[in-house]
Amino acid sequence: DTEVTQTPKHLVMGMTNKKSLKCEQHMGHRAMYWYKQKAKKPPELMFVYSYEKLSINESVPSRFSPECPNSSLLNLHLHALQPEDSALYLCASSQERSLAGVNEQFFGPGTRLTVL
Amino acid sequence: AQKVTQAQTEISVVEKEDVTLDCVYETRDTTYYLFWYKQPPSGELVFLIRRNSFDEQNEISGRYSWNFQKSTSSFNFTITASQVVDSAVYFCALLSSGSARQLTFGSGTQLTVLP
Repeated sequence: DTEVTQTPKHLVMGMTNKKSLKCEQHMGHRAMYWYKQKAKKPPELMFVYSYEKLSINESVPSRFSPECPNSSLLNLHLHALQPEDSALYLCASSQERSLAGVNEQFFGPGTRLTVL
Repeated sequence: AQKVTQAQTEISVVEKEDVTLDCVYETRDTTYYLFWYKQPPSGELVFLIRRNSFDEQNEISGRYSWNFQKSTSSFNFTITASQVVDSAVYFCALLSSGSARQLTFGSGTQLTVLP
């Protein structure tokens, strides 16, 4: 299984809603990532988890709250978002560093989020 | 500081033509990794290739080939005999050994293959 899955595929929410994005992988990867991608732009890194611990937070506003309940799952909890947060949210995973160096990240299909 | 430049914003070709996507990178690290990803309209980023800085051997995979030249800091991607299904945004990305797991992406090249 070389797949990263994400749910939901599409999400529309109001600025006062609370919602969660989910990501799952069964490749045994111990590093997982959240990216945000605006239209016609490259992905921007938001968070990195390594062995279920948050290792990188790219100064993301607190209205985005990541969670890694186990080695296969990654969540992104959303609360009080703004319309400018509308974007494609991508999850990725990779093996942790090996003797070969860093490893490629495998991406999920993303969740298209619209904040009204 | 790291930087990846994909100067070609959009390219259109007719099916069966060859097309080369350019990628130029900047890094101060001596150990680094270069990647190409394909993003079709569905949104998923599909991993195509990884190249380590200490391995300058070019690679061919079917209709895809990659030309890595450290002397010019370039990692170009050629699609031979393009097909409509190759239409996508292609991203070149760089990860340096000193940058943890932060992939630096280029701005992407939108490739449209016309029938």
